[in-house]
Amino acid sequence: GQQVMQIPQYQHVQEGEDFTTYCNSSTTLSNIQWYKQRPGGHPVFLIQLVKSGEVKKQKRLTFQFGEAKKNSSLHITATQTTDVGTYFCAGRGTSYGKLTFGQGTILTVHP
Amino acid sequence: NAGVTQTPKFQVLKTGQSMTLQCAQDMNHEYMSWYRQDPGMGLRLIHYSVGAGITDQGEVPNGYNVSRSTTEDFPLRLLSAAPSQTSVYFCASSRRSSGANVLTFGAGSRLTVL
Repeated sequence: GQQVMQIPQYQHVQEGEDFTTYCNSSTTLSNIQWYKQRPGGHPVFLIQLVKSGEVKKQKRLTFQFGEAKKNSSLHITATQTTDVGTYFCAGRGTSYGKLTFGQGTILTVHP
Repeated sequence: NAGVTQTPKFQVLKTGQSMTLQCAQDMNHEYMSWYRQDPGMGLRLIHYSVGAGITDQGEVPNGYNVSRSTTEDFPLRLLSAAPSQTSVYFCASSRRSSGANVLTFGAGSRLTVL
């Protein structure tokens, strides 16, 4: 079945440093979504990418979808303490209803 | 607008006991699903439903049952709890007709099986 691998599992940064998490799928995806989960909270939707090579920005966050639609990345510029949490990618294949999550990257930001 | 409501927030069970995790949404979402979250494992799909009366298995369905008698409710049943089912459970829903199919998650239910 479809597998979505996400790396790294953990990332510790100093406030102001950049951060990137990567997501790779074993199969071609129809779209990929990114979610953020604050410590003790629930996942909250950030963005969806649909087109091959798509790049979207949300303030300091940049999301990319690979040309082959099998990989994606989330880059945060100049991290802040409010960025702490777990970032998940979630890929959807061609069948409706099957959204496969990556393992998540736990981001810690030291002030 | 409450969104997705899960109850209970915390539960401790003994091995072999049964219980039901409740999930209700008030957004008229057709799609509902249950995930479990374990350290290093991400979110794994247990069961999902694309509408009332329709359910299907996800990645890790063993030990869990679901039913969908109404659009609003999607309870998850553990018939005979095992320590391996200790986890945080999230219910999530989305609009089937939406091209984005963005999931809205509940606050989660933390289950401990002794």
